[in-house]
Amino acid sequence: QKEVEQDPGPLSVPEGAIVSLNCTYSNSAFQYFMWYRQYSRKGPELLMYTYSSGNKEDGRFTAQVDKSSKYISLFIRDSQPSDSATYLCAMSVVVTGTASKLTFGTGTRLQVTL
Amino acid sequence: DGGITQSPKYLFRKEGQNVTLSCEQNLNHDAMYWYRQDPGQGLRLIYYSQIVNDFQKGDIAEGYSVSREKKESFPLTVTSAQKNPTAFYLCASSRPGTGGYGYTFGSGTRLTVV
Repeated sequence: QKEVEQDPGPLSVPEGAIVSLNCTYSNSAFQYFMWYRQYSRKGPELLMYTYSSGNKEDGRFTAQVDKSSKYISLFIRDSQPSDSATYLCAMSVVVTGTASKLTFGTGTRLQVTL
Repeated sequence: DGGITQSPKYLFRKEGQNVTLSCEQNLNHDAMYWYRQDPGQGLRLIYYSQIVNDFQKGDIAEGYSVSREKKESFPLTVTSAQKNPTAFYLCASSRPGTGGYGYTFGSGTRLTVV
């Protein structure tokens, strides 16, 4: 069983829809929970990160963490065609004060259509 | 602007050859990382370095080697022992004390065996 599970999609939604992306995990040692956006043939860009259970909002994006269920979500409101990308969840374990190891989900491909 | 530069963008390797992927950063980060990305498998950690002249194996280090002679540089060599090297390789660095959310990724090198 993988430490992080993510539905690979693809997910296709009309412009303006609310998108829900989800990951589950099994390692209780994970400390930070991140969502990255990756466009084709590019490196991932950090969208949001959270540390504790609860919700965190940034514009059209809301990240949700439920540590008791080992479940994280990213919600995108009023989705735009420019949101079309692969979304990766990632979770971290601190190795030392200078380094942390990330464990990624497989990524969900999102297509927002006009 | 600070960032991470990976070169080349595309690389072709013949069977039995060693190839070296370049990664340079001007962010003054101590920690640097190499990840491999395959379709349907997310990103997996190959090697990481917390400080100059120190590096540690990640989850899939077999067939790879690295060096860290300068803070700014963390080259990855894909050796002939790596049986399936075709993949997208991503280099990253991280700010100290950020617990995993302080990563910056490069734009990647796509390696293909011909």
